[in-house]
Amino acid sequence: DAMVIQNPRYQVTQFGKPVTLSCSQTLNHNVMYWYQQKSSQAPKLLFHYYDKDFNNEADTPDNFQSRRPNTSFCFLDIRSPGLGDAAMYLCATSTRPTGQPQHFGDGTRLSIL
Amino acid sequence: AQTVTQSQPEMSVQEAETVTLSCTYDTSENNYYLFWYKQPPSRQMILVIRQEAYKQQNATENRFSVNFQKAAKSFSLKISDSQLGDTAMYFCAFMKHETTTDKLIFGTGTRLQVFP
Repeated sequence: DAMVIQNPRYQVTQFGKPVTLSCSQTLNHNVMYWYQQKSSQAPKLLFHYYDKDFNNEADTPDNFQSRRPNTSFCFLDIRSPGLGDAAMYLCATSTRPTGQPQHFGDGTRLSIL
Repeated sequence: AQTVTQSQPEMSVQEAETVTLSCTYDTSENNYYLFWYKQPPSRQMILVIRQEAYKQQNATENRFSVNFQKAAKSFSLKISDSQLGDTAMYFCAFMKHETTTDKLIFGTGTRLQVFP
C-alpha cells in the first residue's frame, strides 16, 4: 500500500545534541509537510516543501531545519534540542491541485533528556 | 487570518448511538475546503471527511456526515451508529483555496470516547 513512513517511531536525545527525523513516502506526492504536535494540542505546521521549494512558517524556530533530497524523502533536523522541543513530529504529504487532503505518517515521538 | 474553533474539548457517546461534534471557523475567503481528521490514541491521523465550500451538498462517508452551513461558518460532524473504534481525537481543519500553498489550519480538537 502507498503510504507515509516515519522513522524512528520513538527517538530519545540529549539536551543540545542534534537529532534528525526522517520521512519517506510512496505516494509520489509533490508536497511534504512537517508538523509539531504537543500533548493534547493541534498539530502546528513547521514548514513544507512544494517539490524543491522550501516554505518556512514565520514562527518556526531557527533551531529547526529541513532537507528534501528527492521526491520520496524529507528530513527534519533539530540542531540543538531544548526541553521544549519534546513532542510528536508528524510528516504529511499531499498532491496538487489545491484542496487535496493531507496523508499523515504515524509520527515520531521525540523525548529530550 | 483564518481560525478554527472546536468548543467541545471532550465528548462521550454510547456504542450504537449518534454524536455530533461542533466546529466553527472564521474566514473572509469564499473558496476553501474543510476537513475532519481522526487521530486514535498513539495512532496515525487519518482523513474522515472532506467538504468543498462551493458545494452546497453535505459530504457523507458511510456513518460519518457533515452539516455544512456556509453562511454561519459552521461545519459539524455527525457520527451515526458509534463504534468503539471511533474513540479518538477529532480535529476540524480549514484550507484556503490557493495555488501556492495547501496549509491546514487545525482546531484544538475534540476527544471522543465511545462507551460499550
